Amino acid sequence: ILNVEQSPQSLHVQEGDSTNFTCSFPSSNFYALHWYRWETAKSPEALFVMTLNGDEKKKGRISATLNTKEGYSYLYIKGSQPEDSATYLCAFKPVSGSRLTFGEGTQLTVNP
Amino acid sequence: KAGVTQTPRYLIKTRGQQVTLSCSPISGHRSVSWYQQTPGQGLQFLFEYFSETQRNKGNFPGRFSGRQFSNSRSEMNVSTLELGDSALYLCASSRGSQETQYFGPGTRLLVL
Repeated sequence: ILNVEQSPQSLHVQEGDSTNFTCSFPSSNFYALHWYRWETAKSPEALFVMTLNGDEKKKGRISATLNTKEGYSYLYIKGSQPEDSATYLCAFKPVSGSRLTFGEGTQLTVNP
Repeated sequence: KAGVTQTPRYLIKTRGQQVTLSCSPISGHRSVSWYQQTPGQGLQFLFEYFSETQRNKGNFPGRFSGRQFSNSRSEMNVSTLELGDSALYLCASSRGSQETQYFGPGTRLLVL
């Protein structure tokens, strides 16, 4: 059974704060790590797909890093805005097989 | 390009009934995966179809089944519904099994 864990489970920050959350995953049989943002009443939206150890990806104020040797990824949000409020999910994809295993997500609330 | 669509969006059924949910992938996408989300749980993988063949199956009882048609549209069926089947069912499509999955809005099923 693959274990993908995210922390913290929830987070409340003030507008303008920078924040980060963690995703840990199995370090063996690694193919890719996906990050999604899921806003209430919408579909999960793909943010990043990361495959190489040391990868850093950036999209606006959001960035992510990947360490496949120790099995973790960080997602950073710089200068949080209320519209960043959402659940952030990571998902692990192994080399063998095509299924994504999701963590339970970090629920971010940004207060104005 | 139209996104992933799912029908119906909401459904109420009673125990013992069966239900069929439909997913139309993004044009050109041949892989469709299905996930279940229940309160307090992460997205749980149900199955994946690629070119009309089931490629992967999650740990769900045989009451859960699916299929994919030649136009890549997919259906999932749950027979003999139980109260615990109440959940949000999401489908996601991708070009190939190893590529980014794009999610639909989900079907919310309530079993009474």
